[in-house]
Amino acid sequence: AQTVTQSQPEMSVQEAETVTLSCTYDTSESDYYLFWYKQPPSRQMILVIRQEAYKQQNATENRFSVNFQKAAKSFSLKISDSQLGDAAMYFCAYRTSYNQGGKLIFGQGTELSVKP
Amino acid sequence: NAGVTQTPKFQVLKTGQSMTLQCAQDMNHNSMYWYRQDPGMGLRLIYYSASEGTTDKGEVPNGYNVSRLNKREFSLRLESAAPSQTSVYFCASRLGQVIYEQYFGPGTRLTVT
Repeated sequence: AQTVTQSQPEMSVQEAETVTLSCTYDTSESDYYLFWYKQPPSRQMILVIRQEAYKQQNATENRFSVNFQKAAKSFSLKISDSQLGDAAMYFCAYRTSYNQGGKLIFGQGTELSVKP
Repeated sequence: NAGVTQTPKFQVLKTGQSMTLQCAQDMNHNSMYWYRQDPGMGLRLIYYSASEGTTDKGEVPNGYNVSRLNKREFSLRLESAAPSQTSVYFCASRLGQVIYEQYFGPGTRLTVT
């Protein structure tokens, strides 16, 4: 079975600085998808960025980028120029293959605080 | 276009009571999911429906039942609520095999006393 681990329960960053959130996963599949979701205090789950495992190029969405190391099964999220609105819980998630239902398996989450 | 909607937003039950959480999506998505979120843990899958007419168990199905009423609606039923089912429940949907993203509803906070 696939597992996702986020080893940093809490992280803190100064406004305008850069922070990296860590995520590791375990799977025997070769084709899969990885995601970072943001959950602000409103509870809404918001997709931040996704990475297809077959793509070697790391995904980037504005100030958000990932460092995807397939052999190491590592998928970290880098937030550049941190803003107060980035403060939230961040979840790393693995999507199973379609014949396993395309289910999401989540890590435990990292709570990010941003200091002004 | 409301996306994924869930009712109710909050609910308090006594142990042994039953209730149904409702979920609907207006995006013509094929797959729908129910997750629960407990403090210190990520979301865990309870049940899912890969397509209309099918349902399958997820990681934590005990104490729950689901119904995929039609393509739009996917309900979660607690037949006899227990304090261990106190949680925040999220419904999500996804278009199909190729489209990757799951869209989430706003969640239902359920407390069982």
